[in-house]
Amino acid sequence: GAGVSQSPSNKVTEKGKDVELRCDPISGHTALYWYRQSLGQGLEFLIYFQGNSAPDKSGLPSDRFSAERTGGSVSTLTIQRTQQEDSAVYLCASSWGSETDTQYFGPGTRLTVL
Amino acid sequence: AQSVAQPEDQVNVAEGNPLTVKCTYSVSGNPYLFWYVQYPNRGLQFLLKYITGDNLVKGSYGFEAEFNKSQTSFHLKKPSALVSDSALYFCAVRERYSTLTFGKGTMLLVSP
Repeated sequence: GAGVSQSPSNKVTEKGKDVELRCDPISGHTALYWYRQSLGQGLEFLIYFQGNSAPDKSGLPSDRFSAERTGGSVSTLTIQRTQQEDSAVYLCASSWGSETDTQYFGPGTRLTVL
Repeated sequence: AQSVAQPEDQVNVAEGNPLTVKCTYSVSGNPYLFWYVQYPNRGLQFLLKYITGDNLVKGSYGFEAEFNKSQTSFHLKKPSALVSDSALYFCAVRERYSTLTFGKGTMLLVSP
């Protein structure tokens, strides 16, 4: 069975441009999470989707960040007007949905803002 | 608010020796505890978790962890380290109605 996939694996962009990062969760998983991993830092929670419920956006660092999940499956994280401090690895995870369920991670997208 | 601490940035151990990677946590209710491993340029791989029940949890690749409620710890252990265990290890905690909080990670280096 396929795991969580993310695309692109690497993205280099110029400051001020918008970027879209994609996540394909494990089939059937109802929960989807986005995290950011900066150099030397742990994982920072960004946003959480659970089924048809309103997403938990409490971790988004600014209004330049947004995410959507279409049809309860694929998710896109959008960063508008990118800044150099947005450079990081963006990780997506999915799970069956309960708080005790294991989150399975994708390989990540490395974003570099020049 | 929940939090997790990994007090060591790096742990060095010789191959064949036992290893311990430390983790302590803080929650207001019952904790759900997880360990993940990250190899270079890879995503996180699940190792093991504690939800309830037996305090000693066994996971992938010969790793185990012991939940200690009085010391609020969940240290990761392995009886005999391998060079291939060298990687970045993350401890994470969650409680009801919250999201998963990760520690900053501990780099494990196993020397031949």
